[in-house]
Amino acid sequence: SSELTQDPAVSVALGQTVRITCQGDSLRSYYASWYQQKPGQAPVLVIYGKNNRPSGIPDRFSGSSSGNTASLTITGAQAEDEADYYCNSRDSSGNHLAWVFGGGTKLTVL
Amino acid sequence: EVQLVESGGGLVQPGGSLRLSCAASGFTFSSYEMNWVRQAPGKGLEWVSYISSSGSTIYYADSVKGRFTISRDNAKNSLYLQMNSLRAEDTAVYYCARNGKGAADYFDYWGQGTLVTVSS
Repeated sequence: SSELTQDPAVSVALGQTVRITCQGDSLRSYYASWYQQKPGQAPVLVIYGKNNRPSGIPDRFSGSSSGNTASLTITGAQAEDEADYYCNSRDSSGNHLAWVFGGGTKLTVL
Repeated sequence: EVQLVESGGGLVQPGGSLRLSCAASGFTFSSYEMNWVRQAPGKGLEWVSYISSSGSTIYYADSVKGRFTISRDNAKNSLYLQMNSLRAEDTAVYYCARNGKGAADYFDYWGQGTLVTVSS
């Protein structure tokens, strides 16, 4: 199966901009989606498709993609953005439908 | 309001079985594809299984193929995961997750999860 690679941890100063990246072969064929997960809670979709935000997700969250790399950018990070972030895409390697997640990035807001 | 509520988790011995349920409300359940995704303690997310809106198409991760069975009852707005031959490495919080509208590649709503612990 395909793999998606994320940096384990990233930190950002309050109010600054941070980019979280996700690399994998499947991203050449499929868009990534991004999920925010806070301790003890279920994941929440924050970005999907080319760069779409579900209702209720602040516009400081944005997504982009180039080649085999997808990025989640938080412009003006807030304390409440501290969480684990997971990328996800369709798995392009097998002969049947499947999905793959990145290992997750722990975001610390300083 | 879309709601997904899992149940059925618990402690089970290695080799045992468990059936998880996910009760859906707030949307037309029969129109959406559904999935199970799990998360081992302190670890990342792992996709487990997919079922189409009608239930006619099903896929599994290699790690559970032949042991887990996904199903749904659209009349009862419910999703299920029958787990057999459970192993210690199946210990995880199991989430049901809905695919976005139109066979989308993302999961737009998640339940709160149910914990499965496989241990003797």
